Amino acid sequence: EPEVTQTPSHQVTQMGQEVILRCVPISNHLYFYWYRQILGQKVEFLVSFYNNEISEKSEIFDDQFSVERPDGSNFTLKIRSTKLEDSAMYFCASSDIRVNQPQHFGDGTRLSIL
Amino acid sequence: AQSVAQPEDQVNVAEGNPLTVKCTYSVSGNPYLFWYVQYPNRGLQFLLKYITGDNLVKGSYGFEAEFNKSQTSFHLKKPSALVSDSALYFCAVSPYGGSQGNLIFGKGTKLSVKP
Repeated sequence: EPEVTQTPSHQVTQMGQEVILRCVPISNHLYFYWYRQILGQKVEFLVSFYNNEISEKSEIFDDQFSVERPDGSNFTLKIRSTKLEDSAMYFCASSDIRVNQPQHFGDGTRLSIL
Repeated sequence: AQSVAQPEDQVNVAEGNPLTVKCTYSVSGNPYLFWYVQYPNRGLQFLLKYITGDNLVKGSYGFEAEFNKSQTSFHLKKPSALVSDSALYFCAVSPYGGSQGNLIFGKGTKLSVKP
């Protein structure tokens, strides 16, 4: 069964550094998402992306965050200047164009900011 | 405010017994409702969804869920629990209809099935 893949599985970064989290969505999916889960807290929506532009974003997704689909397969989340509170598990998800289909999630990238 | 509540942090069940994991929601309009399961060090795995139609929906691994509009609930059930069902279960809602919008998640319920 096709899967959403995320790399790296664990990223350790110094505070203030830029970090890029990478995702390969399921190949025929057209909607892409990023969520995060701070340890012990709920899974929170960050952003959705369709047709090469952001379709929706949450209050969390401020100017330090950006997303990009640099080629036909990858979907990236960039955090420009990381803060301690950015430490979390980041999940990528994708869904296909049919309205009733669920979002499929990757295994996540654990981001640790030192 | 749109929200999903999972009132139990943990549910303990003996293997072979029925299980229920509770979920209630608060959204305007007609929501799309989902259950996901998370095994250790893995992502969220889709179990089942309610869009419209029959209030009892069946999903993967023998799980089912019952939508109750009057009680705004979407409880996850399984007639006979397995030890391998032990995991973290998340209820989620797409408040605007459609599954392409953001999902609002509950805080999760840890299911522990003992032999």
